[in-house]
Amino acid sequence: DSGVTQTPKHLITATGQRVTLRCSPRSGDLSVYWYQQSLDQGLQFLIQYYNGEERAKGNILERFSAQQFPDLHSELNLSSLELGDSALYFCASSGRNYGYTFGSGTRLTVV
Amino acid sequence: GQQLNQSPQSMFIQEGEDVSMNCTSSSIFNTWLWYKQDPGEGPVLLIALYKAGELTSNGRLTAQFGITRKDSFLNISASIPSDVGIYFCAGRLVDSNYQLIWGAGTKLIIKP
Repeated sequence: DSGVTQTPKHLITATGQRVTLRCSPRSGDLSVYWYQQSLDQGLQFLIQYYNGEERAKGNILERFSAQQFPDLHSELNLSSLELGDSALYFCASSGRNYGYTFGSGTRLTVV
Repeated sequence: GQQLNQSPQSMFIQEGEDVSMNCTSSSIFNTWLWYKQDPGEGPVLLIALYKAGELTSNGRLTAQFGITRKDSFLNISASIPSDVGIYFCAGRLVDSNYQLIWGAGTKLIIKP
């Protein structure tokens, strides 16, 4: 157990739908990062939050949004889903040593 | 945006062989990290490097922070079947905001 909890582990939904992925960071970590990984691809950075505030944006589509709550958990909202959004979505958190700790991911399948 | 060039993209090796992979960039980094990802799982940190020239081992794994601060190397000695997976390098740029720049990964496959 890495200490970063992601739910759900698997999600199957239809095109056009909206889903919410949830992440609880490791205890004490203030930063949360969201990544997308398509089949056999690298890690695509989506967005970073630090202590409730958006800190950096990567290749995040306008149909996607995220937030970090006062208890530091984060949610990634994906809307108007398309087949190409099928991927593994990872959350990672970090503290002061700069290393990221990853959750085990949410596998999203859009049918 | 910033990029790390990670090579090779994939490696087919025999069990017992030594493995080398590296990451290079035109930018200067003050932290290098090496991660391993097993299929369907999140990447797990293997080794972290914080100083130029630093050489750090974790069992059969050894990584080095290049002296120019623009590259890093990971070596795996005497590979075993559980070494199979994707290895990612990641670096933190000087004055960046805790953000890491990631390599595209090296897929390690052991020949039967």
